[in-house]
Amino acid sequence: NAGVTQTPKFQVLKTGQSMTLQCAQDMNHNSMYWYRQDPGMGLRLIYYSASEGTTDKGEVPNGYNVSRLNKREFSLRLESAAPSQTSVYFCASSLQGAQPQHFGDGTRLSIL
Amino acid sequence: AQSVTQLGSHVSVSEGALVLLRCNYSSSVPPYLFWYVQYPNQGLQLLLKYTTGATLVKGINGFEAEFKKSETSFHLTKPSAHMSDAAEYFCAVSPLRGSGNTGKLIFGQGTTLQVKP
Repeated sequence: NAGVTQTPKFQVLKTGQSMTLQCAQDMNHNSMYWYRQDPGMGLRLIYYSASEGTTDKGEVPNGYNVSRLNKREFSLRLESAAPSQTSVYFCASSLQGAQPQHFGDGTRLSIL
Repeated sequence: AQSVTQLGSHVSVSEGALVLLRCNYSSSVPPYLFWYVQYPNQGLQLLLKYTTGATLVKGINGFEAEFKKSETSFHLTKPSAHMSDAAEYFCAVSPLRGSGNTGKLIFGQGTTLQVKP
């Protein structure tokens, strides 16, 4: 009964390093999303995948790339980490558009 | 552009008192509306949603919200606060209806609810 699983839960990077955040869901959902959460700003959409094989930019895509590896997995990559990318990252999935989203527990990322 | 405004970043109530968390959205077409709750160091959990039909929506843990089209509001209420309600609450909208909806959510800034004994 895992739902949405994110790895790792915590990570510290140095400026310029690269990293991939992993997300997997076991609910057979079609749509997956990556958000970042910053104090006082709510959650902002980075990228989303409405269905397997498609990805689209959200509100704040700069500095990130994504891969929808298969129906279950949706990864987020930081090619050259910057301090401004210090945040809590959440992955979510939904059966299809407008259905409620199910969230993972987040990845807390610090970039020094 | 669509936006969601939650009035008050922090709300403090006494245990047993009414909880009222305010949410207003900007849209010419009624969107789908959601309230989520986030407990410390956890992801977001769905409290309730409005898509169509009855404008008063009941959710989990005794919460409810009323969609008021004329006021573009979707305020969250609970008659009697419990200590376990202390958390951060997010209002969100999914702007498009019908086949064009990709499920993208626009979130408000969040309201932290403190419950005093």
